[in-house]
Amino acid sequence: KQEVTQIPAALSVPEGENLVLNCSFTDSAIYNLQWFRQDPGKGLTSLLLIQSSQREQTSGRLNASLDKSSGRSTLYIAASQPGDSATYLCAVSGNQFYFGTGTSLTVIP
Amino acid sequence: NAGVTQTPKFRVLKTGQSMTLLCAQDMNHEYMYWYRQDPGMGLRLIHYSVGEGTTAKGEVPDGYNVSRLKKQNFLLGLESAAPSQTSVYFCASSYEGAGTGELFFGEGSRLTVL
Repeated sequence: KQEVTQIPAALSVPEGENLVLNCSFTDSAIYNLQWFRQDPGKGLTSLLLIQSSQREQTSGRLNASLDKSSGRSTLYIAASQPGDSATYLCAVSGNQFYFGTGTSLTVIP
Repeated sequence: NAGVTQTPKFRVLKTGQSMTLLCAQDMNHEYMYWYRQDPGMGLRLIHYSVGEGTTAKGEVPDGYNVSRLKKQNFLLGLESAAPSQTSVYFCASSYEGAGTGELFFGEGSRLTVL
């Protein structure tokens, strides 16, 4: 069974810092990888989708990379803002979607 | 632009009571999913549907039933609620399946079973 791990579970950074969130998975036979943002008491909002044939995707201050062979993805957030505070989850797709437990990010003003 | 809508958003049940959660999507998606989210355990798939009139079991289907009578709706039922079913339930949909599809989520339904 696919296992998805996100480390660290929680992260605090001062405003303006660039940061990297990590996602690792055990089975490299995936179709795509998706990064989500979840605010407290809310649903998951899709941030970026990387197809297995792609190496990275960018949206504004966010950049996600995918290395299938090593079973890793990173989400890079540039110039972090307090509004970026949320939990970030990654999900990989094989025969179904498999989710990590997320990294809770706090950006301190 | 509603996307995926879940009702109700909050519910408190007593052990043994029954209830139905409704998920509606207006994106003409074929695939729909019900997940539960529990602290430290991530999202776990309960049931899913690959099209109108179809349903299939996910990772944790016991104690739940589902129906997809209309393409836009996916219902999750609890026939006899148990405290272990206290959780936040999320509905999601995608145009394509897990192979290539992008998931879109509802806001969640918080269920407490006393």
